[in-house]
Amino acid sequence: EPEVTQTPSHQVTQMGQEVILRCVPISNHLYFYWYRQILGQKVEFLVSFYNNEISEKSEIFDDQFSVERPDGSNFTLKIRSTKLEDSAMYFCASSGDRLASGANVLTFGAGSRLTVL
Amino acid sequence: GENVEQHPSTLSVQEGDSAVIKCTYSDSASNYFPWYKQELGKRPQLIIDIRSNVGEKKDQRIAVTLNKTAKHFSLHITETQPEDSAVYFCAAEYGNKLVFGAGTILRVKS
Repeated sequence: EPEVTQTPSHQVTQMGQEVILRCVPISNHLYFYWYRQILGQKVEFLVSFYNNEISEKSEIFDDQFSVERPDGSNFTLKIRSTKLEDSAMYFCASSGDRLASGANVLTFGAGSRLTVL
Repeated sequence: GENVEQHPSTLSVQEGDSAVIKCTYSDSASNYFPWYKQELGKRPQLIIDIRSNVGEKKDQRIAVTLNKTAKHFSLHITETQPEDSAVYFCAAEYGNKLVFGAGTILRVKS
């Protein structure tokens, strides 16, 4: 079964440092997402990406965050200057053609746990 | 606003009993409502979903019902087993994204 893969699985960083989280979405999917989950809390939307641009972002996704699809397979989330409150599990997700499926059926990656000290 | 309310926050049932988790959403334009199961330290995994053109969908021991007029939907698990213990999240599609409920911790006691 096709999977969304994420690296690293766990990253520890110092406050103020830049972090890049990487994702390889399912190969024929067109829509890409980043969500985050602070320990014990719900899954929160950060950003959606389609056709090489951001289609929607939440208020969490401020100027410290950026996303990029540098090639045909990777989808990255960059946090420029990490804060303590950025500590969370970051999930990448992808979905296929909305017109065909009629909905955003998301497949999640295993997550990247970010710990900011 | 874009909101999904989920209840209860925790639910303990005896093995073999049924479990029901309820969610409400705020935007009548939402048309897609998935349920995800998340085991400790793992990714959310889709277990069932429903689109607004149907009122109920069933997959073995799991069923979901949708009331579009009232803007609520429910997950029903029958004959619960210990391996059903997990956190369950409902979600509703708002525009280009899914908005999740706060989650329900389900404990099935054997």
